[in-house]
Formats: sequence, C-alpha cells, structure tokens
Amino acid sequence: QSVLTQPPSASGTPGQRVTISCSGSSSNIGSNSVYWYQQLPGTAPKLLIYLNNQRPSGVPDRFSGSKSDTSASLAFSGLRPEDEADYYCAAWDGSVSGWVFGGGTKLTVL
Amino acid sequence: EVQLVESGGGLVQPGGSLRLSCVASGFSFSSSWMTWVRQAPGKGLEWVANIQQDGSLKQYVDSVKGRFTISRDNAESSLYLQMSSLRAEDTAVYYCVGGSSHDYWGQGTLVTVSS
Repeated sequence: QSVLTQPPSASGTPGQRVTISCSGSSSNIGSNSVYWYQQLPGTAPKLLIYLNNQRPSGVPDRFSGSKSDTSASLAFSGLRPEDEADYYCAAWDGSVSGWVFGGGTKLTVL
Repeated sequence: EVQLVESGGGLVQPGGSLRLSCVASGFSFSSSWMTWVRQAPGKGLEWVANIQQDGSLKQYVDSVKGRFTISRDNAESSLYLQMSSLRAEDTAVYYCVGGSSHDYWGQGTLVTVSS
C-alpha cells in the first residue's frame, strides 16, 4: 500500500483532456512540493513536473500539474498516443523523513 | 548530455551482499543530492536512500536501515549502495537518480535475491 494514492488506471482518446489524481496527507503533499514522473514501457522514469507545476526544459506545455491541500493532479490537454505510459507522483514526507511515491497510474490511449 | 550508468547488479543468495555503483556525467555531481530508487518486477517506484552533496546527511527507507549504506565520491562523480543481509523482497531494478527533484535517472541495474 503506497503512502500516496493514485488510481491504478486511466484512459482517453487522442485529443482528449485527461487528469490523474494523487492523494496524500498533511505530512507529505500538504506541506511539501509534488513531483510527477513518466515511465514509458521498458524505460527508466523521467521527471515530468517539479515543484507542483513546473515543467523541465523539453517537456511539452500540454502537461500540467496542480496541487490543492493534500491532493495533486497531473493533466494532459490533447492526449497523444505516445503519452501511453505509467505515471507516478512523489513528495517528501516529514513524518518518515523520506520520499514517498504513489502506486502509479497506467495511462492508456484508446 | 547527462548520463548515469549503474553497475554491480546480479543474482545473490538471501543473506548475501552486493555493492552497486553509479558513474555520473553531464551535470554538476558534487552539487547534487543523489538518490537510489528501486522498482520490484511489475511494481511501482520505491525510494531507498539519498545522500547530501557533501555526504554528511544520509537518509534511508525503514526497510533497509541497518542493511544498506549509501555513499559517494565527488572526485570520481560516483555513487554507491552497499547492500547486505539481502532478502527476497529486495529483488528489484535499482535506479541511480540525480538532482533534488530526481531530475536525472540511470537505466537501472537488476538485483535478484534468490537461492
């Protein structure tokens, strides 16, 4: 059981807007920044969003992140077939003095 | 180009030891937090340990405390994970990760603990 809760799966059609949620608590998301990682099939994870809503250089602006209280969301505006991957949220957790990850969401592009 | 290259994985018996290494290039290693993250087969990501830039602060997930030791050599831009008293549940791909936002990831090295 992961400390951060994500839906195990999500899906959408090309061009559709899709969001993935990440729920935590006051000791992690409620008091620290949220990060999102994309893991394409058979590859290492890649940083997608940092500090709740910032995109690293090279990440398209159709990916966006947001945070409210103890929850966060990753949104895709204009889904593409190449977005099919696993997505993980993460945050520092002060109660365990360590990083915690969500269980991951497998995004399928129909 | 940023590169993180892990090595040292393999098959080890329960109770055995293994040392993972990671050589970094393309970014300021000595200025970066470094982290080990693992992923069991078919499972999600799990933070294992991290180490501050000068090696003075080291933090571990509870399940590896007392068994794993993270270390670094800034002169060699290298990160290490000494693993002992290995258990079947330590079986995973171990990723070397650089940056305070986990900006950079290696391709991972597989550790299999089995008799």
